[in-house]
Amino acid sequence: AQTVTQSQPEMSVQEAETVTLSCTYDTSESDYYLFWYKQPPSRQMILVIRQEAYKQQNATENRFSVNFQKAAKSFSLKISDSQLGDAAMYFCAYKSRFGNEKLTFGTGTRLTIIP
Amino acid sequence: DTAVSQTPKYLVTQMGNDKSIKCEQNLGHDTMYWYKQDSKKFLKIMFSYNNKELIINETVPNRFSPKSPDKAHLNLHINSLELGDSAVYFCASSPTPVGTGFFGPGTRLTVT
Repeated sequence: AQTVTQSQPEMSVQEAETVTLSCTYDTSESDYYLFWYKQPPSRQMILVIRQEAYKQQNATENRFSVNFQKAAKSFSLKISDSQLGDAAMYFCAYKSRFGNEKLTFGTGTRLTIIP
Repeated sequence: DTAVSQTPKYLVTQMGNDKSIKCEQNLGHDTMYWYKQDSKKFLKIMFSYNNKELIINETVPNRFSPKSPDKAHLNLHINSLELGDSAVYFCASSPTPVGTGFFGPGTRLTVT
């Protein structure tokens, strides 16, 4: 079974600085998807970024980028120029490309932005 | 123009009652899910339907029964509610079983 680990329960960063959230996962599969979801206090789950395992290029969405290291099974999220609106819980998630279609989530990292 | 909607957003009820949460998506997606987020914010899959057919049924008490009347709807009925059922329940949909999941706003269920 796949597992997703987020080893940082809480992180904080000064506004306008850069922060990296860590995520590691365990799988025996070679093809899969990885996601970062953001959950602000409104509790809405918002997709931040998605990475397909067969793509070597790291995904980027504006200020959000990932460092995908397939061999190390690592998928970290970098947030540049942090803004107050980035404050939220961030969840890393794994989804198999074949067979099992569920999202497997990590335990989340609470990100605080310091003004 | 809401993509995935859930009703109600908040539900407070007493132990032993039966309640339902409704979910609708207008994205034309084939696959829908129910996830549960506990008090420690941990999210876990409960059920998944693809074209009205149950494809994932995790270890969930049989007091929980999903129903998919059509591709756009996936409702969750809970019998004999217990204190431990208190959580936020999220409905989600994706275009294919392996597609990106779009989440509803969540339903906060409180059992007293």
